[in-house]
Amino acid sequence: AQSVTQPDIHITVSEGASLELRCNYSYGATPYLFWYVQSPGQGLQLLLKYFSGDTLVQGIKGFEAEFKRSQSSFNLRKPSVHWSDAAEYFCAVGARGGSYIPTFGRGTSLIVHP
Amino acid sequence: DARVTQTPRDKVTEMGQEVTMRCQPILGHNTVFWYRQTMMQGLELLAYFRNRAPLDDSGMPKDRFSAEMPDATLATLKIQPSEPRDSAVYFCASGRDANYGYTFGSGTRLTVV
Repeated sequence: AQSVTQPDIHITVSEGASLELRCNYSYGATPYLFWYVQSPGQGLQLLLKYFSGDTLVQGIKGFEAEFKRSQSSFNLRKPSVHWSDAAEYFCAVGARGGSYIPTFGRGTSLIVHP
Repeated sequence: DARVTQTPRDKVTEMGQEVTMRCQPILGHNTVFWYRQTMMQGLELLAYFRNRAPLDDSGMPKDRFSAEMPDATLATLKIQPSEPRDSAVYFCASGRDANYGYTFGSGTRLTVV
């Protein structure tokens, strides 16, 4: 079965600083990978997804993520964080072959200081 | 933008009562998920439907939970009887086979007292 680890429960950055959120997955083959963002009291919004091809994936709101097979990682990055980026971020992995049910990590809470 | 609509937004009920949560998936989406979110367990998959057929409900306590899709525009999650440990936010998500990013609703916050 697939699993996802987000090692950082909280990350604090200053507005304008760069951001990297870590995600490691466990799956026996090439997975589908997702990053979602959740603002307080809201549902999850898809930021980006990786299925195949270019390992650097561009998403919405200026986010990108890089799939590194050798490290089983799919880290999320943003060059300059805005105060509105403060939210909970979830990495998810889906298995290939029909039933690609997303399994979510525990999330990383991003705090942005002015 | 198309949205997944969940009702009610908030529900407070007494232990032992029946609770029904509803989800209207995006028109044209043939895959529907139910997830439960708690601080302790994070996001847990409860049930999964494709073309209205239940494909996976292994994450759901069968003795009290049931999930159905009476038609393509409605998915329901029912708890009977409810217990305080069922207090959580319940999310519905929908998508198409060719689009693997799912759209989530805003959730139903359930409190069982």
